[in-house]
Amino acid sequence: TQLLEQSPQFLSIQEGENLTVYCNSSSVFSSLQWYRQEPGEGPVLLVTVVTGGEVKKLKRLTFQFGDARKDSSLHITAAQPGDTGLYLCAHGGGGADGLTFGKGTHLIIQP
Amino acid sequence: DVKVTQSSRYLVKRTGEKVFLECVQDMDHENMFWYRQDPGLGLRLIYFSYDVKMKEKGDIPEGYSVSREKKERFSLILESASTNQTSMYLCASSRPRASYNEQFFGPGTRLTVL
Repeated sequence: TQLLEQSPQFLSIQEGENLTVYCNSSSVFSSLQWYRQEPGEGPVLLVTVVTGGEVKKLKRLTFQFGDARKDSSLHITAAQPGDTGLYLCAHGGGGADGLTFGKGTHLIIQP
Repeated sequence: DVKVTQSSRYLVKRTGEKVFLECVQDMDHENMFWYRQDPGLGLRLIYFSYDVKMKEKGDIPEGYSVSREKKERFSLILESASTNQTSMYLCASSRPRASYNEQFFGPGTRLTVL
């Protein structure tokens, strides 16, 4: 099993601040996915990154895949209370195989 | 939009009871999955299925079984519930031969075993 380490584990910041969370591994991945899970709900897919060095933007969220495809980051600009949630990175073998998840970053944005 | 539904949001059972958790998806996905989510341990794969009547063990299948009699429905069965099976259970589905195995999750069932 290829492990994914996410950091920080917990992050609480004020509305309007910027933040970055990380997903790291010693393994090379063909792709990585980011999910957000709100309290009491299932994870929702945000993005899949595939190419080393790739940058994808989703409104105020910027996702980057490391050049060596071993790590990824999520940067949020001007965080809003609606960004509160558990951010999970995951990788899968393709096809029918299940995903392997990191343990996630619990993010709280205080108004 | 893909919709994955789970039969219950909250469930309380007693030790030794047989428990059925049901999951239904409406997008004709071949692949379906059951995970459990625990604080400090994250999401872990219990079982998955890539076709009707087919099933494969995930990382933590002990104490669980599954049933896939119809394409849209995937059931997780706890034959004799134990307190260490208290957890959040998440069902997911994905398209056949999905390039990156992107999965769509249900809202989860929070199971408490007393």
